[in-house]
Order: sequence, then C-alpha cells, then structure tokens
Amino acid sequence: TQLLEQSPQFLSIQEGENLTVYCNSSSVFSSLQWYRQEPGEGPVLLVTVVTGGEVKKLKRLTFQFGDARKDSSLHITAAQPGDTGLYLCAVINQAGTALIFGKGTTLSVSS
Amino acid sequence: ETGVTQSPTHLIKTRGQQVTLRCSSQSGHNTVSWYQQALGQGPQFIFQYYREEENGRGNFPPRFSGLQFPNYSSELNVNALELDDSALYLCASSSPGTGLINEQFFGPGTRLTVL
Repeated sequence: TQLLEQSPQFLSIQEGENLTVYCNSSSVFSSLQWYRQEPGEGPVLLVTVVTGGEVKKLKRLTFQFGDARKDSSLHITAAQPGDTGLYLCAVINQAGTALIFGKGTTLSVSS
Repeated sequence: ETGVTQSPTHLIKTRGQQVTLRCSSQSGHNTVSWYQQALGQGPQFIFQYYREEENGRGNFPPRFSGLQFPNYSSELNVNALELDDSALYLCASSSPGTGLINEQFFGPGTRLTVL
C-alpha cells in the first residue's frame, strides 16, 4: 500500500490551460514537500507546507496543505511547456532520516 | 557552491555482477542519502550516511551497501545484480545537522541497466 497516492498519474495539456494534481493519504503529516523532476535530472524541491490549510504560491504554482494535514494539491495556472516534468509529493519518515515519495504525476505541456 | 554530482551517468551490467556508484555531496553537507527510482515510480529510500556511519536504512537487502568518506562523498555498492535493480540511482545531500532531514539536494542520478 502506497503511503502517498498521487493523481492523476499522467496529464497531457495544451499551453495556457490550468491544472490541479493531488497528493492524498490516510495519515497525518507534520509537513509535506513537493518536488519537480525533469528528464535526466534529480528532483528539485519546490515547496514545503507545514500548517493545515496553508496556501503557498510560487509564481504560477499554488500549493495547498489540507486542513487535516493528510492531503495536498498543486495548481498550475496558464501552464507552459517549461512546466513539463514529474511532480512528486513527499513526506519525511518518522525517524527523520528519509523522504517517502508518492509515485508522481507526469505532466506534459505542449505548445 | 558546487552541487551534488554523481558518476557514472549511465552504466550497463549483467546479472550477477557487482557495481559501485559514486556521489559527491554539496559543499558543506555532511549527510548523504541514496534512493532508487524505478521507471514510473517515485524514489525509494535505500540508506543514509551521517558522519561516515549508516544512519537509517530502507527496505533493501544487504547486497546493497554503502560508504561515506571523511570528505562526505559516498559510494553505493550493489552485489549480485538482479534484473529488477535496473533503475535511476539518486544521491541526495543535506545541510549540516544531526542527520535529520532539512532540505535534500539531489544529484542527476546514475542510470543502471542490468541485462
């Protein structure tokens, strides 16, 4: 059983469209991170959310942490081809020594 | 500031062989973690090294082993390679602390193919 369930698994959209991807769990977390991974590269941290109901914005990306701290969403406004990549959510394990990742959402934005 | 580097970039091995992957951590980072990312999956934690000692291990068999050197660089060794070991192996380093994760910085990975 996957601790973090991400949906959708794949998303293919046109430039200028809006989209939302989700990261869900039945567990409560003290914090949650979002990463973007481009082909041939390692994941790069986009944001860390720590407070239930928190909303963080990074240019056209809006991240929200659920009120109960069990889920999170990433909304992209007016997607661009440069947004193409694998979006991963992750939480820190109980020992604080490792990240536990979801399977990710592969986003393809075509011009 | 130099980022995390990994070598080699790609590697092809046959089943039963042994492989060593290398990682240089970001300057000043004393904690190195290794992850395995199979195709279509998120990265899975293999183990972490802090001050040259293993400081946490994921659900991987003992044929996955590692080392950390005094300069904080690290090696991942895999013995008796199996077909399912084909994956992208990612190294990540963390800023100074007690081994707890603050923010991890990932290298570009080594793509291992086992035939």
